[in-house]
Amino acid sequence: AQSVTQPDIHITVSEGASLELRCNYSYGATPYLFWYVQSPGQGLQLLLKYFSGDTLVQGIKGFEAEFKRSQSSFNLRKPSVHWSDAAEYFCAVGARNAGNMLTFGGGTRLMVKP
Amino acid sequence: DVKVTQSSRYLVKRTGEKVFLECVQDMDHENMFWYRQDPGLGLRLIYFSYDVKMKEKGDIPEGYSVSREKKERFSLILESASTNQTSMYLCASTQTPYGYTFGSGTRLTVV
Repeated sequence: AQSVTQPDIHITVSEGASLELRCNYSYGATPYLFWYVQSPGQGLQLLLKYFSGDTLVQGIKGFEAEFKRSQSSFNLRKPSVHWSDAAEYFCAVGARNAGNMLTFGGGTRLMVKP
Repeated sequence: DVKVTQSSRYLVKRTGEKVFLECVQDMDHENMFWYRQDPGLGLRLIYFSYDVKMKEKGDIPEGYSVSREKKERFSLILESASTNQTSMYLCASTQTPYGYTFGSGTRLTVV
């Protein structure tokens, strides 16, 4: 069975600084990989996804993520954080032979200092 | 855009009550899911459904059941609500392995 680890529960960055949120997965083959964002009191919104091909994936709101097979990682990055990026971020993995079910990490809460 | 609508944003129920959480999607998706979200635990899968009248247990099905009588509607049922079921409940749907569309969530408090 697949699993996802987000090592950082909370991260605080200053507005305008760069951001990297870590995600490590466990799966025997190349999985589907996703990043979601959740604003307070809201559902989850898809930021970006990786299926195959180019290992650097561009998403919405200026986010990108890089799939590194050798490190079993799919870290999320943004070059310059805005105050509106404060939210909780979830990494998720889907097994290619297990239908459409996703397994989520525990989430990373991002706080942005002015 | 696909819409997933959860009927209630906030619910307060008493211990022992039977509780229904409703979820409706408008894009003819075959696959629907119920998760609960708790601080520090992320999202945990309760039940999912691949088709009408089909259901499969997720990781934490105890104390819950589901119903899918129509393709667009997937209901989560708490047979006898308990305080440890106080949580945020999220419904999602998808047609392909291309990511879920989530509803806005229902925050349930059991007193």
